[in-house]
Amino acid sequence: GQSLEQPSEVTAVEGAIVQINCTYQTSGFYGLSWYQQHDGGAPTFLSYNALDGLEETGRFSSFLSRSDSYGYLLLQELQMKDSASYFCAVRDGRNNAGNMLTFGGGTRLMVKP
Amino acid sequence: DVKVTQSSRYLVKRTGEKVFLECVQDMDHENMFWYRQDPGLGLRLIYFSYDVKMKEKGDIPEGYSVSREKKERFSLILESASTNQTSMYLCASSLVSSGFGSADTQYFGPGTRLTVL
Repeated sequence: GQSLEQPSEVTAVEGAIVQINCTYQTSGFYGLSWYQQHDGGAPTFLSYNALDGLEETGRFSSFLSRSDSYGYLLLQELQMKDSASYFCAVRDGRNNAGNMLTFGGGTRLMVKP
Repeated sequence: DVKVTQSSRYLVKRTGEKVFLECVQDMDHENMFWYRQDPGLGLRLIYFSYDVKMKEKGDIPEGYSVSREKKERFSLILESASTNQTSMYLCASSLVSSGFGSADTQYFGPGTRLTVL
């Protein structure tokens, strides 16, 4: 089956850099996505990696190593508004009729002043 | 802007009641999903639908059923609610996959927090 591991909680200070790791086990791997969810809000898409390497979108970057079944989300110049839960998710090949995602348990990031 | 709406933000029901959770999306997406979210367990897929009247079981379908009679609407049904179904329920939608290299972004509704007493 599919499984993803990520830390349950990370704390960092404003202005710092934080890395949230994700390791996965899946069959038919198609890519690793990251979603952000603020308390009381809906998850929203942040980034996606299909191939090895780093993808940068502003202050956020995401990295993937397919050979290590590992990825991470890097948040730079942390701001208070980055306090949220972050989920990694794999698109797997269980069903070709739809794009099913399997989510990790989520990492709660707390940014302190 | 993609909009996914859910019929209720908060719902309180009694054990044994039949519960309907409704989800509507306005972007003509083929795929729709129902997840439940519990602390530390992330989002777990209950059911998804890739077309009208088509459905597939996710990871935790037991105790749930779904209905998709129109493309924009996907309903989750708890036939006989139980206390262990107290949870946050999230609906999502997406376009049909365009293959490897596509993020197949899912767009989520605000969630329904269901409490079963």
